Amino acid sequence: AQSVTQLGSHVSVSEGALVLLRCNYSSSVPPYLFWYVQYPNQGLQLLLKYTSAATLVKGINGFEAEFKKSETSFHLTKPSAHMSDAAEYFCAVTQTGANNLFFGTGTRLTVIP
Amino acid sequence: DAMVIQNPRYQVTQFGKPVTLSCSQTLNHNVMYWYQQKSSQAPKLLFHYYDKDFNNEADTPDNFQSRRPNTSFCFLDIRSPGLGDAAMYLCATSRTGPYEQYFGPGTRLTVT
Repeated sequence: AQSVTQLGSHVSVSEGALVLLRCNYSSSVPPYLFWYVQYPNQGLQLLLKYTSAATLVKGINGFEAEFKKSETSFHLTKPSAHMSDAAEYFCAVTQTGANNLFFGTGTRLTVIP
Repeated sequence: DAMVIQNPRYQVTQFGKPVTLSCSQTLNHNVMYWYQQKSSQAPKLLFHYYDKDFNNEADTPDNFQSRRPNTSFCFLDIRSPGLGDAAMYLCATSRTGPYEQYFGPGTRLTVT
Protein backbone atom coordinates (compact mmCIF):
# COMPACT_ATOMS: atom_id res chain seq x y z
CA ALA A 1 0.00 0.00 0.00
CA GLN A 2 1.14 3.52 -0.75
CA SER A 3 0.51 6.72 1.12
CA VAL A 4 1.98 10.10 1.85
CA THR A 5 1.84 12.14 5.04
CA GLN A 6 2.17 15.88 4.95
CA LEU A 7 3.21 17.29 8.30
CA GLY A 8 1.60 20.64 9.00
CA SER A 9 -1.71 21.52 7.42
CA HIS A 10 -0.78 25.20 7.64
CA VAL A 11 2.65 26.79 7.26
CA SER A 12 3.35 30.52 7.51
CA VAL A 13 6.58 32.13 6.41
CA SER A 14 7.71 35.70 5.96
CA GLU A 15 8.35 36.99 2.48
CA GLY A 16 11.97 36.21 1.61
CA ALA A 17 12.26 33.40 4.16
CA LEU A 18 12.93 29.74 3.47
CA VAL A 19 9.93 27.61 2.56
CA LEU A 20 9.97 24.02 3.83
CA LEU A 21 6.95 21.78 3.29
CA ARG A 22 7.26 18.25 4.60
CA CYS A 23 6.19 15.03 2.93
CA ASN A 24 6.89 11.48 4.06
CA TYR A 25 5.90 8.52 1.96
CA SER A 26 5.13 4.89 2.52
CA SER A 27 5.65 2.46 -0.33
CA SER A 28 6.68 -1.18 -0.53
CA VAL A 29 8.33 -0.62 -3.92
CA PRO A 30 10.36 2.28 -5.34
CA PRO A 31 8.02 5.24 -5.43
CA TYR A 32 7.36 7.96 -7.93
CA LEU A 33 6.72 11.21 -6.06
CA PHE A 34 5.14 14.48 -7.07
CA TRP A 35 4.45 17.91 -5.66
CA TYR A 36 1.47 19.88 -6.94
CA VAL A 37 0.36 23.43 -6.20
CA GLN A 38 -3.24 24.62 -6.20
CA TYR A 39 -4.30 28.26 -6.24
CA PRO A 40 -7.84 29.19 -5.16
CA ASN A 41 -10.55 27.97 -7.55
CA GLN A 42 -8.03 26.39 -9.88
CA GLY A 43 -6.83 22.91 -10.75
CA LEU A 44 -3.60 21.33 -9.59
CA GLN A 45 -0.37 22.30 -11.30
CA LEU A 46 2.68 20.06 -11.27
CA LEU A 47 5.64 21.65 -9.49
CA LEU A 48 8.11 18.79 -9.78
CA LYS A 49 8.45 15.01 -9.87
CA TYR A 50 10.84 12.29 -8.73
CA THR A 51 11.06 9.27 -11.01
CA SER A 52 14.14 7.43 -9.69
CA ALA A 53 16.71 9.53 -11.54
CA ALA A 54 18.44 12.36 -9.64
CA THR A 55 17.51 12.54 -5.97
CA LEU A 56 17.50 16.35 -5.99
CA VAL A 57 14.73 17.51 -8.24
CA LYS A 58 14.27 21.05 -9.44
CA GLY A 59 10.86 22.31 -10.40
CA ILE A 60 9.10 25.42 -11.52
CA ASN A 61 8.94 28.75 -9.65
CA GLY A 62 12.24 28.09 -7.85
CA PHE A 63 11.05 25.04 -5.90
CA GLU A 64 13.07 21.90 -5.40
CA ALA A 65 12.72 18.65 -3.47
CA GLU A 66 15.13 15.99 -2.33
CA PHE A 67 14.28 12.30 -2.28
CA LYS A 68 15.75 10.66 0.84
CA LYS A 69 15.14 6.94 0.89
CA SER A 70 16.62 6.47 4.37
CA GLU A 71 14.14 8.98 5.76
CA THR A 72 11.28 8.10 3.37
CA SER A 73 10.95 11.81 2.75
CA PHE A 74 10.42 14.13 -0.18
CA HIS A 75 10.33 17.60 1.35
CA LEU A 76 9.67 20.66 -0.79
CA THR A 77 11.86 23.74 -0.37
CA LYS A 78 12.32 27.20 -1.80
CA PRO A 79 15.12 29.49 -0.60
CA SER A 80 13.11 32.70 -0.61
CA ALA A 81 9.32 32.90 -0.36
CA HIS A 82 7.38 35.21 -2.59
CA MET A 83 3.87 36.49 -2.02
CA SER A 84 2.75 34.60 -5.12
CA ASP A 85 3.74 31.30 -3.47
CA ALA A 86 0.72 31.48 -1.16
CA ALA A 87 -1.35 28.43 -2.15
CA GLU A 88 -2.21 24.85 -1.21
CA TYR A 89 0.51 22.26 -1.82
CA PHE A 90 -0.09 18.54 -2.28
CA CYS A 91 2.41 15.71 -2.20
CA ALA A 92 1.47 12.56 -4.11
CA VAL A 93 2.90 9.07 -4.67
CA THR A 94 2.50 6.28 -7.19
CA GLN A 95 4.50 3.29 -8.34
CA THR A 96 5.37 1.28 -11.43
CA GLY A 97 2.34 -0.51 -12.79
CA ALA A 98 -0.11 1.89 -11.18
CA ASN A 99 -2.23 4.54 -12.80
CA ASN A 100 -3.48 6.22 -9.64
CA LEU A 101 -1.92 8.94 -7.54
CA PHE A 102 -2.29 8.89 -3.76
CA PHE A 103 -2.43 12.43 -2.39
CA GLY A 104 -1.49 13.80 0.98
CA THR A 105 -3.93 15.99 2.86
CA GLY A 106 -2.25 19.18 1.69
CA THR A 107 -0.39 22.08 3.28
CA ARG A 108 -1.66 25.61 3.02
CA LEU A 109 1.23 28.05 2.69
CA THR A 110 0.73 31.63 3.85
CA VAL A 111 3.36 34.25 3.02
CA ILE A 112 3.49 37.21 5.37
CA PRO A 113 4.63 40.53 3.89
CA ASP B 1 -0.89 24.55 -26.09
CA ALA B 2 -1.91 21.04 -25.12
CA MET B 3 -4.29 21.15 -22.22
CA VAL B 4 -7.20 19.81 -20.22
CA ILE B 5 -10.38 21.83 -20.52
CA GLN B 6 -13.40 21.69 -18.25
CA ASN B 7 -16.79 23.19 -18.88
CA PRO B 8 -18.47 24.91 -17.32
CA ARG B 9 -16.17 26.45 -14.70
CA TYR B 10 -19.11 27.12 -12.42
CA GLN B 11 -22.34 25.13 -12.37
CA VAL B 12 -25.40 25.69 -10.22
CA THR B 13 -28.00 22.96 -10.07
CA GLN B 14 -31.04 22.23 -7.96
CA PHE B 15 -31.31 19.45 -5.45
CA GLY B 16 -32.16 16.28 -7.34
CA LYS B 17 -31.78 17.78 -10.83
CA PRO B 18 -29.35 15.79 -13.01
CA VAL B 19 -26.21 17.59 -14.07
CA THR B 20 -23.38 16.79 -16.48
CA LEU B 21 -19.86 18.13 -16.29
CA SER B 22 -17.55 17.85 -19.25
CA CYS B 23 -13.83 17.45 -19.77
CA SER B 24 -11.79 17.46 -22.94
CA GLN B 25 -8.08 17.07 -23.58
CA THR B 26 -5.67 17.78 -26.38
CA LEU B 27 -2.82 15.78 -24.83
CA ASN B 28 -3.92 12.49 -26.39
CA HIS B 29 -3.50 10.74 -23.05
CA ASN B 30 -5.19 7.39 -22.71
CA VAL B 31 -6.03 7.69 -19.00
CA MET B 32 -8.64 10.16 -17.75
CA TYR B 33 -9.66 10.74 -14.15
CA TRP B 34 -12.46 12.43 -12.24
CA TYR B 35 -11.85 13.77 -8.76
CA GLN B 36 -14.10 15.39 -6.21
CA GLN B 37 -12.49 18.01 -4.00
CA LYS B 38 -14.21 19.60 -1.04
CA SER B 39 -12.98 22.67 0.74
CA SER B 40 -9.52 22.33 2.31
CA GLN B 41 -9.30 18.65 1.40
CA ALA B 42 -7.22 16.59 -0.99
CA PRO B 43 -8.79 15.52 -4.27
CA LYS B 44 -10.74 12.27 -3.92
CA LEU B 45 -10.65 9.94 -6.91
CA LEU B 46 -14.12 8.98 -8.12
CA PHE B 47 -13.18 6.87 -11.14
CA HIS B 48 -10.84 6.69 -14.08
CA TYR B 49 -10.76 5.39 -17.63
CA TYR B 50 -7.85 3.48 -19.01
CA ASP B 51 -8.71 3.88 -22.68
CA LYS B 52 -12.33 2.66 -22.70
CA ASP B 53 -11.89 0.53 -19.61
CA PHE B 54 -13.87 2.09 -16.74
CA ASN B 55 -12.49 1.78 -13.21
CA ASN B 56 -14.77 2.80 -10.37
CA GLU B 57 -13.46 3.48 -6.87
CA ALA B 58 -15.14 1.25 -4.30
CA ASP B 59 -16.56 4.15 -2.29
CA THR B 60 -17.87 6.21 -5.20
CA PRO B 61 -21.65 6.57 -4.81
CA ASP B 62 -23.89 5.11 -7.51
CA ASN B 63 -25.22 8.61 -8.02
CA PHE B 64 -22.03 9.38 -9.94
CA GLN B 65 -21.64 8.01 -13.45
CA SER B 66 -19.20 8.68 -16.25
CA ARG B 67 -18.95 8.36 -20.00
CA ARG B 68 -15.99 8.49 -22.30
CA PRO B 69 -17.21 8.53 -25.91
CA ASN B 70 -13.72 8.96 -27.36
CA THR B 71 -10.11 9.61 -26.34
CA SER B 72 -10.59 13.35 -26.05
CA PHE B 73 -13.79 13.66 -24.06
CA CYS B 74 -15.04 12.46 -20.71
CA PHE B 75 -18.25 13.35 -18.86
CA LEU B 76 -19.29 13.19 -15.24
CA ASP B 77 -23.00 12.69 -14.66
CA ILE B 78 -24.55 13.27 -11.26
CA ARG B 79 -27.98 11.71 -11.44
CA SER B 80 -29.59 13.24 -8.37
CA PRO B 81 -27.33 15.84 -6.77
CA GLY B 82 -27.58 16.27 -3.04
CA LEU B 83 -26.33 19.16 -0.95
CA GLY B 84 -23.33 17.04 -0.02
CA ASP B 85 -22.26 16.85 -3.66
CA ALA B 86 -21.39 20.52 -3.76
CA ALA B 87 -17.67 20.55 -4.45
CA MET B 88 -14.96 21.25 -6.99
CA TYR B 89 -14.80 18.54 -9.64
CA LEU B 90 -11.42 18.05 -11.25
CA CYS B 91 -10.62 16.20 -14.44
CA ALA B 92 -7.10 14.95 -15.06
CA THR B 93 -5.25 12.98 -17.71
CA SER B 94 -2.05 10.98 -17.89
CA ARG B 95 -0.16 8.50 -19.97
CA THR B 96 -0.31 4.87 -18.92
CA GLY B 97 1.93 4.16 -15.96
CA PRO B 98 3.44 6.04 -13.03
CA TYR B 99 3.39 9.40 -14.73
CA GLU B 100 2.24 12.80 -13.62
CA GLN B 101 -1.37 13.78 -14.08
CA TYR B 102 -2.39 16.95 -15.84
CA PHE B 103 -5.36 18.70 -14.31
CA GLY B 104 -8.03 20.90 -15.75
CA PRO B 105 -9.12 24.10 -13.99
CA GLY B 106 -12.08 22.37 -12.36
CA THR B 107 -15.83 22.89 -12.24
CA ARG B 108 -17.26 24.27 -9.03
CA LEU B 109 -20.67 22.75 -8.45
CA THR B 110 -23.23 24.45 -6.25
CA VAL B 111 -26.40 22.61 -5.26
CA THR B 112 -29.35 24.72 -4.17
